[in-house]
Amino acid sequence: DAGVTQSPTHLIKTRGQQVTLRCSPKSGHDTVSWYQQALGQGPQFIFQYYEEEERQRGNFPDRFSGHQFPNYSSELNVNALLLGDSALYLCASTAGGYEQYFGPGTRLTVT
Amino acid sequence: TQLLEQSPQFLSIQEGENLTVYCNSSSVFSSLQWYRQEPGEGPVLLVTVVTGGEVKKLKRLTFQFGDARKDSSLHITAAQPGDTGLYLCAGARSGGSNYKLTFGKGTLLTVNP
Repeated sequence: DAGVTQSPTHLIKTRGQQVTLRCSPKSGHDTVSWYQQALGQGPQFIFQYYEEEERQRGNFPDRFSGHQFPNYSSELNVNALLLGDSALYLCASTAGGYEQYFGPGTRLTVT
Repeated sequence: TQLLEQSPQFLSIQEGENLTVYCNSSSVFSSLQWYRQEPGEGPVLLVTVVTGGEVKKLKRLTFQFGDARKDSSLHITAAQPGDTGLYLCAGARSGGSNYKLTFGKGTLLTVNP
């Protein structure tokens, strides 16, 4: 049973560029959440997707957007990258309950 | 505003010692999860507690949810080097069927052989 997968593993971008991160949820899960984890911090909730719609959003600017596809996979897009966007981006999936299962993350470095 | 406060932030102990880490909040949560995270990897779910006063055991790990569902603790007995990692607590509040996790900053545990 495949768990949550994310791609790419690492990414280096320049300030002002745009980036797309991808996530495939655990088999049987239909809800995907994205989190940002800065160094030395706990993960911060960005948003959650269910039935291809953004269902809930954390305190992140509109530069952060997402999408969910019919097969439940999801993308996180970040426009106009800032140095402060450097972080580990985590995707988590759930079948609608309390328990969320995380992928290995994408390490984004903005220079 | 950090809704979940974890303590201690860092903990370095010798193999065989016992330890307790705490997760406190002024807010009530529907459930609380504990995760362990290795460097550069995603958090791995250890346990979920949902009932006030609930105690769950996972081998040498004991988790407790406070009666008022505002706090939790993780106790490790006879710690081993393999227990080394970042321990994160995360609270969930339900809004219909939505569950957004709010994380603490974590406790970085190092168990020395």
